[in-house]
Amino acid sequence: GAVVSQHPSRVICKSGTSVKIECRSLDFQATTMFWYRQFPKQSLMLMATSNEGSKATYEQGVEKDKFLINHASLTLSTLTVTSAHPEDSSFYICSASSGGSGANVLTFGAGSRLTVL
Amino acid sequence: EDKVVQSPLSLVVHEGDTVTLNCSYEVTNFRSLLWYKQEKKAPTFLFMLTSSGIEKKSGRLSSILDKKELFSILNITATQTGDSAVYLCAVDRSNSGYALNFGKGTSLLVTP
Repeated sequence: GAVVSQHPSRVICKSGTSVKIECRSLDFQATTMFWYRQFPKQSLMLMATSNEGSKATYEQGVEKDKFLINHASLTLSTLTVTSAHPEDSSFYICSASSGGSGANVLTFGAGSRLTVL
Repeated sequence: EDKVVQSPLSLVVHEGDTVTLNCSYEVTNFRSLLWYKQEKKAPTFLFMLTSSGIEKKSGRLSSILDKKELFSILNITATQTGDSAVYLCAVDRSNSGYALNFGKGTSLLVTP
């Protein structure tokens, strides 16, 4: 089946530094990927839709200058948290569509847990 | 404003019990409702529902959608400890390109 890989699975960084998280579709091409954030005991909140070869579409309230998304190829989207602060500590998950119709084709990555000290 | 509301938020049952998880929604351009199971990491897909009244079944799990009353239920019969997880309900809107709106989830704990 379709596999989406996220890296790193866990990262700890100092406040003020930038962190890059990668989302790769391993055995399929994904023109669109989605980035979600999940706080403890909360649901997945959509942050942005990443489109290959064009700018990402951000949800209301998500700072595009803080959460930089690049979708340079059909198998890779990256999320960079710039100048990270402790309140950015969260679980970040991406998902990608492996084709076909229906949202059931979405495959989620295993997530990346970011801790900002 | 689009809303997906799940209840209960948490539930503790004994092995062998049957549980019913609820999801109600208010969204524009509804296309489908999905259920996921999340055990610490990536949500895994359970069901996608698009039509009212048609039960989807997979082993001990089943789900049904009521588009008139705008809700869905997920049933788990003869629960096992391995069913312990957070169950997420999400709605896909026809103009969203599969960008899902998730509920907060129901945290289920099945005790031996």
